[in-house]
Amino acid sequence: AQSVTQLGSHVSVSEGALVLLRCNYSSSVPPYLFWYVQYPNQGLQLLLKYTSAATLVKGINGFEAEFKKSETSFHLTKPSAHMSDAAEYFCAVVAGGTSYGKLTFGQGTILTVHP
Amino acid sequence: DAGITQSPRHKVTETGTPVTLRCHQTENHRYMYWYRQDPGHGLRLIHYSYGVKDTDKGEVSDGYSVSRSKTEDFLLTLESATSSQTSVYFCAISDGDTGELFFGEGSRLTVL
Repeated sequence: AQSVTQLGSHVSVSEGALVLLRCNYSSSVPPYLFWYVQYPNQGLQLLLKYTSAATLVKGINGFEAEFKKSETSFHLTKPSAHMSDAAEYFCAVVAGGTSYGKLTFGQGTILTVHP
Repeated sequence: DAGITQSPRHKVTETGTPVTLRCHQTENHRYMYWYRQDPGHGLRLIHYSYGVKDTDKGEVSDGYSVSRSKTEDFLLTLESATSSQTSVYFCAISDGDTGELFFGEGSRLTVL
């Protein structure tokens, strides 16, 4: 079985500062890992994904994440926060094979960006 | 944007009443999912479908049933709603089993 832990339910940064959202996973098979973003009163949308190719993955809106197998981590970063980045972010994992694409989500991290 | 429509978007009901939420897609995707979102829990899978009439349980399926008689429609039914089922429900679709999902805008259900 796989699981995801997001460290920190709330993260607050100043505009222009580094964004770092932490995610650790547990999986008995090589995982596919994802970050999804949810803006207020909307559904989730895919930010980026890791599917066993390059360990550094670039996504939309300047976000990127690095898969570190030794640390079982998949932290999300952005060099310079923008006000529009304020949202809730979810890390998720799916096992390969016959998993039917079922995602297991972390608890979510709410990102607040201060002017 | 993926063509996913959830209905109703908002519903208030009383304990013990049946409720059906509908998810309709225009993308002809094979996989469909129902998740619920609750503060502190992220999203949890209720049921999923991997084809017409092919469905299975997720991690929080108790009290819920689903049906998929057509590719485009996936119905979630609460046979007898309880207050613990107050939540925001999201439908998602995928054309493969890689975990890359497209989500609807959600249905907010309040059970009094």
